[in-house]
Amino acid sequence: EDQVTQSPEALRLQEGESSSLNCSYTVSGLRGLFWYRQDPGKGPEFLFTLYSAGEEKEKERLKATLTKKESFLHITAPKPEDSATYLCAVQPRAGSYQLTFGKGTKLSVIP
Amino acid sequence: EAQVTQNPRYLITVTGKKLTVTCSQNMNHEYMSWYRQDPGLGLRQIYYSMNVEVTDKGDVPEGYKVSRKEKRNFPLILESPSPNQTSLYFCASGEKTGPAFDTQYFGPGTRLTVL
Repeated sequence: EDQVTQSPEALRLQEGESSSLNCSYTVSGLRGLFWYRQDPGKGPEFLFTLYSAGEEKEKERLKATLTKKESFLHITAPKPEDSATYLCAVQPRAGSYQLTFGKGTKLSVIP
Repeated sequence: EAQVTQNPRYLITVTGKKLTVTCSQNMNHEYMSWYRQDPGLGLRQIYYSMNVEVTDKGDVPEGYKVSRKEKRNFPLILESPSPNQTSLYFCASGEKTGPAFDTQYFGPGTRLTVL
């Protein structure tokens, strides 16, 4: 069974204090790993897709990396507007288009 | 503007009264999917569709039906809703541009309460 575990569940940072969110996964092969951002009461917003170990992608203050067992979302010098819940999801290789999501990390950036 | 729309956005109903939540996308995407989001459980996939007339079960399909007769529409049907289907529902669409789905666009959500 595919599993995705995100840690920590919640993270409070001071503005400018860099940190990383973790997504550990167990999947029968990996077709893709996705990061999303979700604001309260809204649908998730796509951030990145990572396909293979060693891959990295960046967008503004966010950088996502992937290993064979986990992915990290690095947040550099965060701002209050980065406050949101960050979701990780995996798509297995086994010919399925099912997505399994983690429960998310709720990030709060304090001015 | 690229978007996924859902209707209704809010719905309160009673046990056993059939309902349909509509989902429509204007991006000509082949892939569409339904999710439910519950506190402490996260997002869970209900059904997905790879193209017209092609649907498959996700993690929690029990009590739900879907149909994909047109590429742009993917309605979610609850034939006999029960209180445990009270949840926040999201529709999404996406296109396969690589080995996996690249961008997936989510709708604004439908908050369903079953009394």
